[in-house]
Amino acid sequence: DQQVKQNSPSLSVQEGRISILNCDYTNSMFDYFLWYKKYPAEGPTFLISISSIKDKNEDGRFTVFLNKSAKHLSLHIVPSQPGDSAVYFCAASLYSGAGSYQLTFGKGTKLSVIP
Amino acid sequence: DTGVSQDPRHKITKRGQNVTFRCDPISEHNRLYWYRQTLGQGPEFLTYFQNEAQLEKSRLLSDRFSAERPKGSFSTLEIQRTEQGDSAMYLCASSIRLAGPYPSTDTQYFGPGTRLTVL
Repeated sequence: DQQVKQNSPSLSVQEGRISILNCDYTNSMFDYFLWYKKYPAEGPTFLISISSIKDKNEDGRFTVFLNKSAKHLSLHIVPSQPGDSAVYFCAASLYSGAGSYQLTFGKGTKLSVIP
Repeated sequence: DTGVSQDPRHKITKRGQNVTFRCDPISEHNRLYWYRQTLGQGPEFLTYFQNEAQLEKSRLLSDRFSAERPKGSFSTLEIQRTEQGDSAMYLCASSIRLAGPYPSTDTQYFGPGTRLTVL
């Protein structure tokens, strides 16, 4: 059973417009959420995060919104640039009690920004 | 480059052979994770080290898998008697936990991964 879902496998956006990537989760115990970006042949790169007690976090062109009651978060990229074309993974963090913050990832959304 | 490095980047092996992968974390990071990513999926947690101690193992980590982190520096992941189902990207991530109030997490920095193909 997937605890983190990214229901859109792909998204195409014109350069300069807004990209909105969505993520849903089922486990209410998750207490931190992260977005990673992945280019082919590279590992995931950390982008932005948000704790479960906040509803918005902004970093430059990237903003993450959290709706805890709906168990939904979204990543907004404004304005979108061709270099943003990559696979974006939503991840949820849960403290295990033994020391780790295990990440549970969604399947990813491939974003294509068209010049 | 001071990021996480992994070696080799690609490994092709025949079923039944043993393989070993290496991960060199960011030097000041005492926390190290291994994940596995199969085609069309996100990474899945395998195991976690804090310094040299292996504190957690996923149920995905069968007894054919073993991981070590001697002296709390680099880590190795060994798969014995490989099977075709082991074909995947094996990712290593390192982090350092910063003190702070609840809720908190550690930002995990990933290496480029080792792509394993079992024929």
